Amino acid sequence: EPEVTQTPSHQVTQMGQEVILRCVPISNHLYFYWYRQILGQKVEFLVSFYNNEISEKSEIFDDQFSVERPDGSNFTLKIRSTKLEDSAMYFCATRQGQGFSGELFFGEGSRLTVL
Amino acid sequence: KQEVTQIPAALSVPEGENLVLNCSFTDSAIYNLQWFRQDPGKGLTSLLLIQSSQREQTSGRLNASLDKSSGRSTLYIAASQPGDSATYLCAVIMGKYIFGTGTRLKVLA
Repeated sequence: EPEVTQTPSHQVTQMGQEVILRCVPISNHLYFYWYRQILGQKVEFLVSFYNNEISEKSEIFDDQFSVERPDGSNFTLKIRSTKLEDSAMYFCATRQGQGFSGELFFGEGSRLTVL
Repeated sequence: KQEVTQIPAALSVPEGENLVLNCSFTDSAIYNLQWFRQDPGKGLTSLLLIQSSQREQTSGRLNASLDKSSGRSTLYIAASQPGDSATYLCAVIMGKYIFGTGTRLKVLA
């Protein structure tokens, strides 16, 4: 069964360092999302991406964050200068172009620990 | 702004009990609703997706219902087992997913 793949599964970094989280979407999916879950808190929407541009972003997704699809397969989330409060599980999710009702398929997540 | 709330926040039951988890949302203009399971430190496992035109969905011992007009969904787990212990999340689908606060379930052997 096709699945969304995320790497790395766990990354530890020093505050101020840049981090790139990678996601390989299901091959025929056109809509891509990043979500974040701080330990013990709810899963929060960060950003959605379609047709090589951001379609929506939350207030969490500030200038420290960026997304891109550099090679037509990987979908990446970059955090430019990490802060302690960026420590969280980051989930990539993708769906086909089925309008707003389409089911999202989630990856297993990348755990980011900022020291 | 859509708010999704799950009650109870935590639940501990003996094995074999039937139980109901609740999810409520403030804006009924949703497309669909989905229930997930999350084990500690792990990802999201999809359990049931209820389309807006449906009232309920069933999979094995799980049954989820949706009442859009009242802003409620319930997840019914029959004959609970220790392996059901996890956090259960509901998410309303409005283009993006908006997740609830979760219910931490512990089923005691």
